[in-house]
Amino acid sequence: KNQVEQSPQSLIILEGKNCTLQCNYTVSPFSNLRWYKQDTGRGPVSLTIMTFSENTKSNGRYTATLDADTKQSSLHITASQLSDSASYICRYNQGGKLIFGQGTELSVKP
Amino acid sequence: GAVVSQHPSWVICKSGTSVKIECRSLDFQATTMFWYRQFPKQSLMLMATSNEGSKATYEQGVEKDKFLINHASLTLSTLTVTSAHPEDSSFYICSASDRADYEQYFGPGTRLTVT
Repeated sequence: KNQVEQSPQSLIILEGKNCTLQCNYTVSPFSNLRWYKQDTGRGPVSLTIMTFSENTKSNGRYTATLDADTKQSSLHITASQLSDSASYICRYNQGGKLIFGQGTELSVKP
Repeated sequence: GAVVSQHPSWVICKSGTSVKIECRSLDFQATTMFWYRQFPKQSLMLMATSNEGSKATYEQGVEKDKFLINHASLTLSTLTVTSAHPEDSSFYICSASDRADYEQYFGPGTRLTVT
């Protein structure tokens, strides 16, 4: 069983709309959680980083949340833009070992 | 800061040949570098971890004789895919860290196509 499960696998939204991506985990304990944006054919770029004790972290139009009770993290994107089309990956750091989700493929349409 | 580059960004090679991919940390000294492989629509899979000046540690199932890793300096690691086969075609991504247990910074990746 994967330790990190992301949903949905893929998502299509219209430009300007908001969306929320989910990341469920069983990794425990962990030191921090990152959300990455990975454009096609490129390496992952960090969007947010949260420690185990943080509940929310924002970076512009990106807001990540963490609920340790339900073992869920989410990434909320507001006012989506065409350039937001990419794969979004959540990743847990467990003592230096990185555990990645499989990613959510987001497509923003005009 | 924390910029990692990879070269080449894409490469096409014939089956049976070897290809070398470079990973450089541009503005920090990377004591540890990591090599990942990513197939389409799949998660990054760690292949190996290398510390400067020592042998790489390979993940289970990764052939060390096929994927040669050299981390000769604090800013450069290389991955050589030897006797490449079409099934080695993938996206290879490196990351670098200035401590073995600290955050990793990713390179832009190298697309390898073996014909």
